Amino acid sequence: DAGVTQSPTHLIKTRGQHVTLRCSPISGHKSVSWYQQVLGQGPQFIFQYYEKEERGRGNFPDRFSARQFPNYSSELNVNALLLGDSALYLCASSTLMGNQPQHFGDGTRLSIL
Amino acid sequence: EDQVTQSPEALRLQEGESSSLNCSYTVSGLRGLFWYRQDPGKGPEFLFTLYSAGEEKEKERLKATLTKKESFLHITAPKPEDSATYLCAVQGGGSNYKLTFGKGTLLTVNP
Repeated sequence: DAGVTQSPTHLIKTRGQHVTLRCSPISGHKSVSWYQQVLGQGPQFIFQYYEKEERGRGNFPDRFSARQFPNYSSELNVNALLLGDSALYLCASSTLMGNQPQHFGDGTRLSIL
Repeated sequence: EDQVTQSPEALRLQEGESSSLNCSYTVSGLRGLFWYRQDPGKGPEFLFTLYSAGEEKEKERLKATLTKKESFLHITAPKPEDSATYLCAVQGGGSNYKLTFGKGTLLTVNP
């Protein structure tokens, strides 16, 4: 069975641009979460979606937004990119909203020049 | 606010030399504690979930335990392929089901 897939795998942008990252969850999983991982740190929670509705938001500015589609795939959008947005962006999916394990994709490496 | 502290930050072992990684946490209403393994350039790979104090889970050379304040990941007779960063995360009792991660322990097992 396919795991969580993310695209693109790598991306280079310049300050001020915007970016869209995409995620396809494991088949049957209805919850998708987004995390940011800076080098040397653990992942930090950005958003959680379940059944196409936002169920949680971390401490990130309004430049970050996301949505979930009817097929449960998801997009993370970041506007007005800053150098500090350079990170590995991880998507995780789980079966339900609950204490089920979240399974991660291999992420999108975003570099801001 | 949920907090997770992992120690040590880095650990070097010889092949076959057993040891333990520590994860201390503070959380309001623990729903679950999760261990993940992360290889360079990859996403975290799920290992274990622990839900209540006293619970233990095992998988090959790894054993995870949980108390009310900390969790341990015991590695018995490690092999070089066990080298990775091990991440601990908690899920608290808030309105969402976010994971709060520690910074991880970088484990290197030398042959």
